[in-house]
Order: sequence, then C-alpha cells, then structure tokens
Amino acid sequence: DTAVSQTPKYLVTQMGNDKSIKCEQNLGHDTMYWYKQDSKKFLKIMFSYNNKELIINETVPNRFSPKSPDKAHLNLHINSLELGDSAVYFCASSQGSLQPQHFGDGTRLSIL
Amino acid sequence: TQLLEQSPQFLSIQEGENLTVYCNSSSVFSSLQWYRQEPGEGPVLLVTVVTGGEVKKLKRLTFQFGDARKDSSLHITAAQPGDTGLYLCAGAFTSGTYKYIFGTGTRLKVLA
Repeated sequence: DTAVSQTPKYLVTQMGNDKSIKCEQNLGHDTMYWYKQDSKKFLKIMFSYNNKELIINETVPNRFSPKSPDKAHLNLHINSLELGDSAVYFCASSQGSLQPQHFGDGTRLSIL
Repeated sequence: TQLLEQSPQFLSIQEGENLTVYCNSSSVFSSLQWYRQEPGEGPVLLVTVVTGGEVKKLKRLTFQFGDARKDSSLHITAAQPGDTGLYLCAGAFTSGTYKYIFGTGTRLKVLA
C-alpha cells in the first residue's frame, strides 16, 4: 500500500492554464505539506496543514491555492501557470509538525 | 533567512571508498534529519538527530550532530553502488513557525 500518493505523476501543460495536483496519505498523520523541488534539486516548503488548518504559507504566489478537505488529503491548485512553475512538486505527511516526513513520489510539472 | 549549506555538492567515488558529507548553518536547529532521494522518487528518511553531539549509526552510515546543533555530518564507510543518490539534510526551526529547512543537497555516485 502506498503511504503518500500523488496524482498525476507527470503534468505537461501550456502557459496560462489552470491545473490541480492531488495528494492522499493513508498513514493517519495529522500534518501534510507541499514542497517544490527545482532543477537544482533544492527542496523548498510551500505550505503545511495541520488537521485541515493552514499553519505554514511561505512566500508563494497566490496563484497557488492548497485545499485540505480532510486530514488525509491535501490538494494543490495552480492558476495561470507560468514557465517558472516548472518543477517537481512533492507532497509529504507527518504525525506532528516536526516529526519525520513521508514523501510521495512527486509530480513533475512541465510548462510549455 | 535560515540556510543549510551542504558540501560537497557532487561526489563521485569508487566502490569501497569512504566519504563524508557536511551540512552547515549559522542557525541552531532543534533537530536535524537526513534523507536520501533516488531519481523519480521522494526523499526517504534515514535518521533524526536531536541532541548536540549525538552520533547515530545505520549499518555503514554514521550521522553526527554538532555540539552546538548548527551542523551535522554523514559518513559512509565502504561505499557501495546502492548508496548512490541525492542526500539531503533538513533542519527543524522552532522560532516563529515550526518547519523544516532543507539543505542544498549532495549528489553521490558510487562506481562499481
């Protein structure tokens, strides 16, 4: 059973489009995250939710909107995609804010 | 702004050699984690260190947390091709929001 699963794994789309990435965890964790990994492999936190409540919102354009319908899900919607949004987006979860994180396998977003 | 610098950035060695990866910051961490990431996958936790001066061993991998909790090292003895991957340190900061800051990464390649 996959602990943290993200869909889709690959997303290729045109500039200006709107897209969503879904994340689900079956570990019973209460905290979920979205990270962005750039071409140099630098992993940067974007958002963190604890029990469906937003607790970390880094300096991210407001074109990015996370939504947590329940503790097990954290989706990421991106409006008006730009070339600079091309990256691998990782979802992660943990039991508590500073506990070991379990990562999904990433969604590679390519903007044409 | 917290920053975690890892060195070296790239490392290519022969099977059987030893190596050390460093993770340094000017900030104090409440804890630090090491992850390994393989292509097409998310980072996987290797270890968490919490106490200054702490040393943990995981088979051929030895992790050390600096006495002042500002730095850490990962030493691999007799490296094997299976050790190939991207190694990431992640420091936990508890001033303001609780979050992890990831290091700049070390790409290791072990040649058979």
